[in-house]
Amino acid sequence: DIQMTQSPSSLSASVGDRVTITCRASQGISDSLAWYQQKPGKAPDLLVYGIFRLASGVPSRFSGGASGTDYTLTISPLQPEDFATYSCQQYYSSPLTFGGGTKVEIK
Amino acid sequence: EVQVLESGGGLVQPGGSLRLSCAASGFTFSSYAMSWVRQAPGKGLEWVLSISSSGDITYYADSVKGRFSVSRDNFKNTLYLQMTSLRAEDTAVYFCAKVGGNDWYFDHWGQGTLVTVSS
Repeated sequence: DIQMTQSPSSLSASVGDRVTITCRASQGISDSLAWYQQKPGKAPDLLVYGIFRLASGVPSRFSGGASGTDYTLTISPLQPEDFATYSCQQYYSSPLTFGGGTKVEIK
Repeated sequence: EVQVLESGGGLVQPGGSLRLSCAASGFTFSSYAMSWVRQAPGKGLEWVLSISSSGDITYYADSVKGRFSVSRDNFKNTLYLQMTSLRAEDTAVYFCAKVGGNDWYFDHWGQGTLVTVSS
């Protein structure tokens, strides 16, 4: 199984900051990486797929990137509605696996 | 507008069974694979299983293999999750999710239905 190690597990930031979240895959997953945003009590929303492709309606302050088996989600500038939990997911092979999540809190 | 709506969650005793349903609308249901993803209280997301658009291919997480089964009715635009031999560790919110095109990410999710396994 491919393990997705996500860091940090939580962070505090201010409105207007630049925030970067990282997922490391335990083996190569090509471009099969998605990011989701989830707010308390709600379903996840797709933000990014294929490493850097923004889902429909997602603001351009969200961006995805990769270097080797490290994948990043960057939010800049951080807006009040962005305080949420973010999770990565690999879909290169079954079982599909998620990172543990990063909770972005208000500083 | 794409919508998926789960139903059927509730409280069940260990060893019991439950069937979840997911009603889909706003897209050609028969053209897309579907999945169930769960989230235990305070925990991260866990993929449970997926089914191909025609229903002839299924994939299961090891944690549910042999206990859960998935099916779909492409005439009723409905996805089902049959859960048997339920354990306390199956307690979670279960989300129905539409697979995005040819790749196995999830582009639309339902609001989730809570399954609690407890005596």
